Amino acid sequence: AQSVTQLDSQVPVFEEAPVELRCNYSSSVSVYLFWYVQYPNQGLQLLLKYLSGSTLVKGINGFEAEFNKSQTSFHLRKPSVHISDTAEYFCAVRIQGAQKLVFGQGTRLTINP
Amino acid sequence: DTGVSQNPRHKITKRGQNVTFRCDPISEHNRLYWYRQTLGQGPEFLTYFQNEAQLEKSRLLSDRFSAERPKGSFSTLEIQRTEQGDSAMYLCASSSPDLGGRQWNTEAFFGQGTRLTVV
Repeated sequence: AQSVTQLDSQVPVFEEAPVELRCNYSSSVSVYLFWYVQYPNQGLQLLLKYLSGSTLVKGINGFEAEFNKSQTSFHLRKPSVHISDTAEYFCAVRIQGAQKLVFGQGTRLTINP
Repeated sequence: DTGVSQNPRHKITKRGQNVTFRCDPISEHNRLYWYRQTLGQGPEFLTYFQNEAQLEKSRLLSDRFSAERPKGSFSTLEIQRTEQGDSAMYLCASSSPDLGGRQWNTEAFFGQGTRLTVV
């Protein structure tokens, strides 16, 4: 079975500071990796995904993530955050050939002015 | 098309009552998914349809839960004899096969969810 661990339940940062949200996964087979963002009382929006190819993936809103197979990690980064980035962020995996997503528990990103 | 639509957005019901939620996927999307999200947790997979066929069900989907997609378009999720533990956000998502037939290379688009509170 697959599992996803988001190492930080909450991350507070100051506006314009860099941020890294950590994600580690466990799987015996190859997976695809995703980061989603959820604003209060909203559904999930895809930030970026890794399917194959370059291990550095760029997404929307200035976010990027790097896939590290040896460390089974897919950490999300942004060089300079904005107040509007305040949200819950979810890392997810999907087995190649399967349909369901397996999500981590989420990381709440809080931006302080 | 404005995306995946879910109704109602909020539902408060008494324990023991039945509830039904509706999901309208993005048109031409043939895959539809239901997830449940409890407070402070990530979404958990419940079930998945390809067209009208229900192809996968989670063990989380007890006998009180039933999902349908009769014409391969909208879907309903019914919970019978609701319990307080059913209180959660129910999320629907849809996706479409890649035009090149590479069905793994698709993105799931999520609706805004239905928040259920059982009192």
